[in-house]
Parts: sequence; C-alpha cells; structure tokens
Amino acid sequence: QSALTQPPSASGSPGQSVTISCTGTSSDVGGYNFVSWYQQHPGKAPKLMIYEVSKRPSGVPDRFSGSKSGNTASLTVSGLQAEDEADYYCSSFAGSPWVFGGGTKLTVL
Amino acid sequence: QVQLVESGGGVVQPGGSLRLSCAASGFTFSSREMHWLRQAPGKGLEWVAIISSDGTYKNYANSVKGRLTISRDNSKNTVDLQMNSLRPEDSALYYCARDISGSYSVDYWGQGTLVTVSS
Repeated sequence: QSALTQPPSASGSPGQSVTISCTGTSSDVGGYNFVSWYQQHPGKAPKLMIYEVSKRPSGVPDRFSGSKSGNTASLTVSGLQAEDEADYYCSSFAGSPWVFGGGTKLTVL
Repeated sequence: QVQLVESGGGVVQPGGSLRLSCAASGFTFSSREMHWLRQAPGKGLEWVAIISSDGTYKNYANSVKGRLTISRDNSKNTVDLQMNSLRPEDSALYYCARDISGSYSVDYWGQGTLVTVSS
C-alpha cells in the first residue's frame, strides 16, 4: 500500500484538461510544500514535471501545472496531447524518507 | 548534458549480495546530493536512499535500512549501492537520480539496472 493515494486511472480527449489528485496526510503533503510529480512512459525512466507543488523544470510545457490544498495535491494537464499518455506519480517529503503515490495511468482517448 | 549510467544489476539468490554503481557526468557531481530509487516490475516508484554531496549524511527507506548502504566517490563521479541480505521483495529496477537541491525532488534519472532476487 502506497503512502500517498492516487486514482489508478484518468482519461481525457485531446485538447481537454484532466486533473490527477494525490492525497496524503499532514505528515507529508499537508505539512510541506515539497510535492513533486513525475511522468513515466512505458519502458522509460521517470521525468520530473513539477516540483515544490507548482514549479516547472525548464523544458516542461506550461500545459502542466500543480497545486495543493490541505493534504491533497493535484496535477492538471491542459490541452491534452497524445504524448501525455503515461503513468504519473506524485511524491512528497515526509520528514525524512520520501513517499510516493501508487501512480495514475493517464489515457488520452 | 547530464548523464547517469547504472550498472551492476543481475540475478542473486535470497540472502546474497550485489553492488550497484552509477557513473555521473555533465554536471558538478561533488555539489549534488544523489539518490537511489527502485521500481518493482509493474509497480510504482519507491525511494531507497540518499547521500549528501560530501558523503557525510545518508538516509534510507525503512524497508532497506541495515541491509543496503549508499556511498559515493567524488573523485570518480560515482555513487554506489551495496546490497546485502537481499530478499525477493528487493527485486526491482534500480534508478540512480540527481537531487534538484533543496527541493526534495530529483531532476535527472538514469535508465536503471535490474536486480532479481530469486532461488
């Protein structure tokens, strides 16, 4: 069982927006502004998409945005494109170890 | 450009040992914390260990504490993971990753090296 809870799947049509949630506790997501999101295509290494809740590394399209409210963080992908179809994982600092969500498979219909 | 290349994976019997290595290039290795993370086949990501830039601070996931040891050699730009008393549940693709500095996140990952613990 993962420490952070993500929906197993999400979907949207090209051009639409989709939001993936990541629910933790006050000991991780709610206690720190150190939530990250990673994208992973099949057979590939993960790629950092969002860090510190809402910051985007250089090269990540601004279609990807992050936010947090209480113990729940969210990743929103706007203007869905075919290449956004992948697994998405959230992670959070939790005092000493890091914790991850179980992952969400995003399908572009 | 930043490159992280893992090596050392393989098949090992339960209770056995393995040493993974990660060769880094394209950045000032000695100024960055480094991590090992893993992913069991078909499963999610799990953080394993972190080492500070100078090697004096190390921390581990509870699941591996006392069995896995992270180390680094800043003169060779390498970070290693010594794995002892291996269990079947340690079977996974092991990734080396670079810390983003102060953000509790990793911005570059290697391609991983596969460890299989099986009799």
